[in-house]
Amino acid sequence: ETGVTQTPRHLVMGMTNKKSLKCEQHLGHNAMYWYKQSAKKPLELMFVYSLEERVENNSVPSRFSPECPNSSHLFLHLHTLQPEDSALYLCASSPTPIGSGELFFGEGSRLTVL
Amino acid sequence: AQKITQTQPGMFVQEKEAVTLDCTYDTSDPSYGLFWYKQPSSGEMIFLIYQGSYDQQNATEGRYSLNFQKARKSANLVISASQLGDSAMYFCASRTSYGKLTFGQGTILTVHP
Repeated sequence: ETGVTQTPRHLVMGMTNKKSLKCEQHLGHNAMYWYKQSAKKPLELMFVYSLEERVENNSVPSRFSPECPNSSHLFLHLHTLQPEDSALYLCASSPTPIGSGELFFGEGSRLTVL
Repeated sequence: AQKITQTQPGMFVQEKEAVTLDCTYDTSDPSYGLFWYKQPSSGEMIFLIYQGSYDQQNATEGRYSLNFQKARKSANLVISASQLGDSAMYFCASRTSYGKLTFGQGTILTVHP
């Protein structure tokens, strides 16, 4: 069982759909993250959760709505997305959000918005 | 604000040769960490190596070493004895004491047999 698991791996949705991305970590970490990776752009930090509290929100449009019900699970709810939101969405975890420890990433959910 | 610059969009290397992937950073934080991640075609980001800003010696992890030149603000990754499985996208990243991780645009490495 991998440390950070993301589902689904691939998602195609229309602009009027509502869908969710799920992330689960089995590492006992207290911090979880959502990153967006678009083609030819650096990874962009979207949200940071520490002990289920959102500690950072990098000016992400409200059509992306995160949810962290417990320290092992993180969701990204999607609604009325735009084609430019098509990207690879990566979930990561770390023991704490502050400090120099590494991040542990999942394999990503590739989203295509039609 | 932090900024990571990777000037090599793509690099090619012959199998068993060494290759250096460039990374320069810009940060005003006195304490920071520098990371290299590998992203194969599967999408997962795999941690390779870490260098703390106060570390006196260059970090090494197996075939990976980090050439840290603090005055020049560079943190180049050296991969020795390249293998076909090393073909992937490589990202340099920096992390401040406040925890924010900033990534570069990445370098695609292709290892030829």
